Amino acid sequence: GQQLNQSPQSMFIQEGEDVSMNCTSSSIFNTWLWYKQDPGEGPVLLIALYKAGELTSNGRLTAQFGITRKDSFLNISASIPSDVGIYFCAEPKEGNRDDKIIFGKGTRLHILP
Amino acid sequence: DGGITQSPKYLFRKEGQNVTLSCEQNLNHDAMYWYRQDPGQGLRLIYYSQIVNDFQKGDIAEGYSVSREKKESFPLTVTSAQKNPTAFYLCASSEGPRQVLSGNTIYFGEGSWLTVV
Repeated sequence: GQQLNQSPQSMFIQEGEDVSMNCTSSSIFNTWLWYKQDPGEGPVLLIALYKAGELTSNGRLTAQFGITRKDSFLNISASIPSDVGIYFCAEPKEGNRDDKIIFGKGTRLHILP
Repeated sequence: DGGITQSPKYLFRKEGQNVTLSCEQNLNHDAMYWYRQDPGQGLRLIYYSQIVNDFQKGDIAEGYSVSREKKESFPLTVTSAQKNPTAFYLCASSEGPRQVLSGNTIYFGEGSWLTVV
């Protein structure tokens, strides 16, 4: 079945460093979604991508829809403590009766004191 | 305020008991979802519903049941058949996955922690 692979699984960085994570798929996607989950909370949408090659920014976050339509990247510049959390990529899967949204396993971002 | 409300936030269950997690939304969304998240793991889809009185199994539906009698409500029952129910449960809603393709998104509740004691 359709799978989303996120890497790395975990990241340990110093405050102020830039962060890069990616998501790959075994099949072509039409939409890429990036979510962030704070500890003990529900995920919140960060960026949505709808077109191959699209590059979209949201503050210090930048995401790109890969031109092959099988991958996406999320970058965070100048990390701060509140960036800690789990970052998920997701894709809406369209079907006749089974439209649903599939999530990757997430990348856990830790910031070292 | 508009949003998704899950309750209770924390729930303890004895082995062999059924428990029901509540999820209510006032966003007028058609689609609702239940995900399970285990420590250090991603989100796995349990059940989802695109319209009232209709729902489909997700990837890990065994041991769970749902109902969608009202548009605003999508309760999840964790039955005694679920052998490892301790997890963080997330309810979500959207105008519909197809609407996500055109710019809308999926909104999550704050989650419910279920622990078997």
